[in-house]
Amino acid sequence: RKEVEQDPGPFNVPEGATVAFNCTYSNSASQSFFWYRQDCRKEPKLLMSVYSSGNEDGRFTAQLNRASQYISLLIRDSKLSDSATYLCVVKRGSNYQLIWGAGTKLIIKP
Amino acid sequence: NAGVTQTPKFRILKIGQSMTLQCTQDMNHNYMYWYRQDPGMGLKLIYYSVGAGITDKGEVPNGYNVSRSTTEDFPLRLELAAPSQTSVYFCATGEGNEKLFFGSGTQLSVL
Repeated sequence: RKEVEQDPGPFNVPEGATVAFNCTYSNSASQSFFWYRQDCRKEPKLLMSVYSSGNEDGRFTAQLNRASQYISLLIRDSKLSDSATYLCVVKRGSNYQLIWGAGTKLIIKP
Repeated sequence: NAGVTQTPKFRILKIGQSMTLQCTQDMNHNYMYWYRQDPGMGLKLIYYSVGAGITDKGEVPNGYNVSRSTTEDFPLRLELAAPSQTSVYFCATGEGNEKLFFGSGTQLSVL
């Protein structure tokens, strides 16, 4: 079993819809959580950190459920430009160790 | 600011050849990383550095070497290239190991 697992998708969603996807992690000692966005053939870019109380950045909302060991990303009023692969990242411990999920591909259709 | 600059963008190597992937940052970050990304897989850490003169192995260091003589530069050396090293390579920097800034990547094929 992978330490960080994501549904690879693709999620095909009409423009303007709301979409959500989850990421599960297996190591209960995981401390910090992040969502990165990666456009096709481009480098990953930090979308948002995920805080214990949940956090929102515009149309994006991230949640953490420690009891069930997953994080989620919700995108409201989706735009064509939201089409990308969303990477879940978990920080294990206090050193360099970031564990990356393989990503969920999102396609927004007009 | 250029941020993180990686060269080359593409490269084809023959089995057994060697090459160096260059990475330069102008963000004055102490932490630098080399990752590889294979299709359908998460990024895997090859090597990292917490400052000039300090490097350490990540998850998949075999077949690679690094050096960090300056804050700005963190080259990745491939010795005796193998088909298993066909991948996309990303260099990244950060103040810690949370918010990372990536270079645009190097697509490497070993044939």
